[in-house]
Amino acid sequence: EDKVVQSPLSLVVHEGDTVTLNCSYEVTNFRSLLWYKQEKKAPTFLFMLTSSGIEKKSGRLSSILDKKELFSILNITATQTGDSAIYLCAVINSGGSNYKLTFGKGTLLTVNP
Amino acid sequence: EPEVTQTPSHQVTQMGQEVILRCVPISNHLYFYWYRQILGQKVEFLVSFYNNEISEKSEIFDDQFSVERPDGSNFTLKIRSTKLEDSAMYFCASSDWVGTEGHFGDGTRLSIL
Repeated sequence: EDKVVQSPLSLVVHEGDTVTLNCSYEVTNFRSLLWYKQEKKAPTFLFMLTSSGIEKKSGRLSSILDKKELFSILNITATQTGDSAIYLCAVINSGGSNYKLTFGKGTLLTVNP
Repeated sequence: EPEVTQTPSHQVTQMGQEVILRCVPISNHLYFYWYRQILGQKVEFLVSFYNNEISEKSEIFDDQFSVERPDGSNFTLKIRSTKLEDSAMYFCASSDWVGTEGHFGDGTRLSIL
């Protein structure tokens, strides 16, 4: 059975702190790993990682994938209250035109002023 | 920026009734998906759809569920004979290529009474 495990499940920090969110996976036919931010409704896309060791960066957020150890981390530096959300990790496993996205349970991040 | 739209935003239905959830994917996208998220739980893959047929489905997507692309713009999820445990947020997503990130709609909250 495909598994995506995120840790921690919840995290409370103060503005300005740096956080690291973890995602480990066991899936067949791994294709890519995705990070999403979910606030009130729809998950919004952050990063897609396909190759090991290549950091993706967007402003204060960055992420990297380790395909040997089967995990990824999402870093957020200088956190702001607007970063408060659930951060979802998902893995695409696919073969041909088949496609399946398996999500982790998410990490609830709360950033206090 | 183009977006995925879902209607209705909230649907309340009596147990045993049929519901149809509607989605308008991004216009040039070819791959369509449905996910559900039971309150407090993780996002779960239901089905992916390409070239007018299902390309992958999860064990959740049993005979009670069906999907259809009745015209060039809509993508629907039908749930026959709804059960209490079908209460969840249902997200539609679309992508322009297999294995890329999906763009999610804001979801339909389905409440079964």
